[in-house]
Amino acid sequence: DAGITQSPRYKITETGRQVTLMCHQTWSHSYMFWYRQDLGHGLRLIYYSAAADITDKGEVPDGYVVSRSKTENFPLTLESATRSQTSVYFCASSGGYSYNEQFFGPGTRLTVL
Amino acid sequence: KNQVEQSPQSLIILEGKNCTLQCNYTVSPFSNLRWYKQDTGRGPVSLTIMTFSENTKSNGRYTATLDADTKQSSLHITASQLSDSASYICVVSSYSSASKIIFGSGTRLSIRP
Repeated sequence: DAGITQSPRYKITETGRQVTLMCHQTWSHSYMFWYRQDLGHGLRLIYYSAAADITDKGEVPDGYVVSRSKTENFPLTLESATRSQTSVYFCASSGGYSYNEQFFGPGTRLTVL
Repeated sequence: KNQVEQSPQSLIILEGKNCTLQCNYTVSPFSNLRWYKQDTGRGPVSLTIMTFSENTKSNGRYTATLDADTKQSSLHITASQLSDSASYICVVSSYSSASKIIFGSGTRLSIRP
């Protein structure tokens, strides 16, 4: 099906473990984004990518790693998960970075114990 | 500092009533302002977008206004329906960088029958 998907939808892990959240889009959008959403905060940008093999930091990149070897995939890795990374993570894609609408995935709820 | 502030934080109204949500921003240089609707457990979905030269835009029962001089926007919902219960997020973009897309914390709207 066309669209943007995230997996897993729910994940529980322990402090210090590595976790990878997957994001896949079928529109061939050039831009992809990772956000986290916490109570009391708006969506905060972690990393974004303007094209395959081009990534850049957002507002809160510490503790996260991204890669984009293919246009359609943009995985987010927590190399050593911490409790402060418990959050809901949203992936989005867009044809451009500013005027173009961002299309969001359904989110991944991550709990770090 | 680039900021987007929304008010009220939460709002409860009766079905059929109108309501207005507010957004104040300090993002500069300004490119565009977008309102998103986020249903519980789902990713945000765009409702409207406005650039500097636009001061009103409608999408069905949703009407957004923009005053670029005072850096304020509002989202007016007419004849509310139960399905309007959601969080409404104001997002302001700067044309200088993809990292300058600032999300407000949102207004949580509850429609009561």
